[in-house]
Amino acid sequence: EVQLLESGGGLVQPGGSLRVSCAASGFTFSNYGMHWVRQVPGKGLEWVSGISGSGDPTYYADSVKGRFIISRDNSKNTMYLQMNSLRAEDTALYYCARRGFFEYWGQGTLVTVSS
Amino acid sequence: DIQMTQSPSSLSASVGDRVSITCRANQDITNYLAWFQQKPGHAPKSLIYHASTLQSGVPSKFSGSGSGTEFTLTISSLQPEDFATYYCQQYYSYPFTFGPGTKVDL
Repeated sequence: EVQLLESGGGLVQPGGSLRVSCAASGFTFSNYGMHWVRQVPGKGLEWVSGISGSGDPTYYADSVKGRFIISRDNSKNTMYLQMNSLRAEDTALYYCARRGFFEYWGQGTLVTVSS
Repeated sequence: DIQMTQSPSSLSASVGDRVSITCRANQDITNYLAWFQQKPGHAPKSLIYHASTLQSGVPSKFSGSGSGTEFTLTISSLQPEDFATYYCQQYYSYPFTFGPGTKVDL
């Protein structure tokens, strides 16, 4: 059974940094591209970043380019999103998802940027 | 960036109704279109990909059609568990983009 489990969310001050993780199980992790999608509670969905199965290439939304870094460790079946220079508008529930058509989703981890 | 629109933004329906939601892209995305269902407090759930391919385990009352710039999600007979928000998404080119959602309520 495919499972994706996000972790690492929390409260961070504006300008601060946070790394969220997505632990995968139930499939051969290195064979699949993976993505981060975020959602402000009560609002719509926004794709944030994606990474190929090998780790290169990577892709970013303009809203996070230069501030966020996506990576993966295939030996640990885990994907990461390093978030730097965080802003209030980055406050959202962050989901990881498999493949470009997001066939499987995790349950999300909440990131709150506030002083 | 490819812009996605959905219509209607919300609709009220009854159990047993057949409902359709339209999704439009502002440029040709061939069939690189997915549909999702989201219920309050839950992660989105994949329903359809490649515009018309039903995700494994999704009941056949859901169907997708269309290509190019116009797509439709149809629910053949609405059941209580189908009241939710539905999103379309293009994965033809980066950045991937979602429609604003269609809320289906009673």
